[in-house]
Amino acid sequence: AQRVTQPEKLLSVFKGAPVELKCNYSYSGSPELFWYVQYSRQRLQLLLRHISRESIKGFTADLNKGETSFHLKKPFAQEEDSAMYYCALRAHMDSNYQLIWGAGTKLIIKP
Amino acid sequence: GAGVSQSPRYKVAKRGQDVALRCDPISGHVSLFWYQQALGQGPEFLTYFQNEAQLDKSGLPSDRFFAERPEGSVSTLKIQRTQQEDSAVYLCASSLRFGFGETQYFGPGTRLLVL
Repeated sequence: AQRVTQPEKLLSVFKGAPVELKCNYSYSGSPELFWYVQYSRQRLQLLLRHISRESIKGFTADLNKGETSFHLKKPFAQEEDSAMYYCALRAHMDSNYQLIWGAGTKLIIKP
Repeated sequence: GAGVSQSPRYKVAKRGQDVALRCDPISGHVSLFWYQQALGQGPEFLTYFQNEAQLDKSGLPSDRFFAERPEGSVSTLKIQRTQQEDSAVYLCASSLRFGFGETQYFGPGTRLLVL
């Protein structure tokens, strides 16, 4: 069965420090990986996806198939980055295109 | 344009009461998903529609849960005889098409509390 693990429930770093939010997955096939973000009192929104290989708001994430990881990184954290971050996977075997989610990491950026 | 909307935003129900949660997807979006998010957890898949067809309901936790999308637009998730374990945020998401590479856009969720 597919699974997404975000080992940190809470991550607190100072403004300007590097940030790495960890995401590991278990899936034997070729997955699609996503990072969604939820700011306070806002809805879930897509931050980035591995197939786009883009940088959004300074965040990047690289799919490492050998380590089955998709960690989210930002070199210099900003206070506005404080939010809940969810890693999600979509398995190419499934025909319903559902997302399988990690439990989320709460990121707090201290001033 | 308008995003996905859900109503009500908050619902308090007494145990045993029936509830109906509504989702208005983005206009023209073919795919619609329902997820359940318990406190401190990530969302979990409930069911999926492609237009009016419910193609997967494998995530519905019991036969008390029922979803429909009769005209391929608005969807309703109904929970009969609510139990305390049904307390959660219910999220609706839609995507323009079906298939891989499609982005799911989420509504604000309905927070259900069963007393």
